[in-house]
Amino acid sequence: GAVVSQHPSWVICKSGTSVKIECRSLDFQATTMFWYRQFPKQSLMLMATSNEGSKATYEQGVEKDKFLINHASLTLSTLTVTSAHPEDSSFYICSARALTDTQYFGPGTRLTVL
Amino acid sequence: EDKVVQSPLSLVVHEGDTVTLNCSYEVTNFRSLLWYKQEKKAPTFLFMLTSSGIEKKSGRLSSILDKKELFSILNITATQTGDSAIYLCAPNAGNNRKLIWGLGTSLAVNP
Repeated sequence: GAVVSQHPSWVICKSGTSVKIECRSLDFQATTMFWYRQFPKQSLMLMATSNEGSKATYEQGVEKDKFLINHASLTLSTLTVTSAHPEDSSFYICSARALTDTQYFGPGTRLTVL
Repeated sequence: EDKVVQSPLSLVVHEGDTVTLNCSYEVTNFRSLLWYKQEKKAPTFLFMLTSSGIEKKSGRLSSILDKKELFSILNITATQTGDSAIYLCAPNAGNNRKLIWGLGTSLAVNP
């Protein structure tokens, strides 16, 4: 149990395009999901907290207009990187919080912007 | 400011050795502490600790929390090469229940 999926697992896009990443909790409902990014050999950096049915809460320094988050159901949150640039290339990971308060992570999405 | 310090930062051992990984924390509104293992991809959940002194065990891994001294340890006995990974501890804190991340301990188990 407690499986979280992410799609796509990797994506390459051209500069200026937008990319959508999906995060799904497969066997539990998650009122809260979290989006992280991770650069090589660095720790996880929380970008935003996504609550079902309400606006996401962004961490300081994260542009909400650039990283659009939608949490339309108890099992799905999406992150859209708008007008992507090479500096947005990173490993994006979502997690979903179960009722036990444990956060389970998706496998991550590697984004490369050319 | 919330803070998590893990030690050692890196560790190299031989198969069969026992290792102890440390995590000390200072966070507001502490709720629980979670341990994760991260290999090449995203972290996988190991343990969630909420009470002091109660050991959680899963196979060769075990963990315990001390809420008075604000630390936790993760033990791995009879290490195997497959245990090589970064081990992350993350207190769950605050009203928004965010995880506060340490830098992790990078464990390498040599055959």
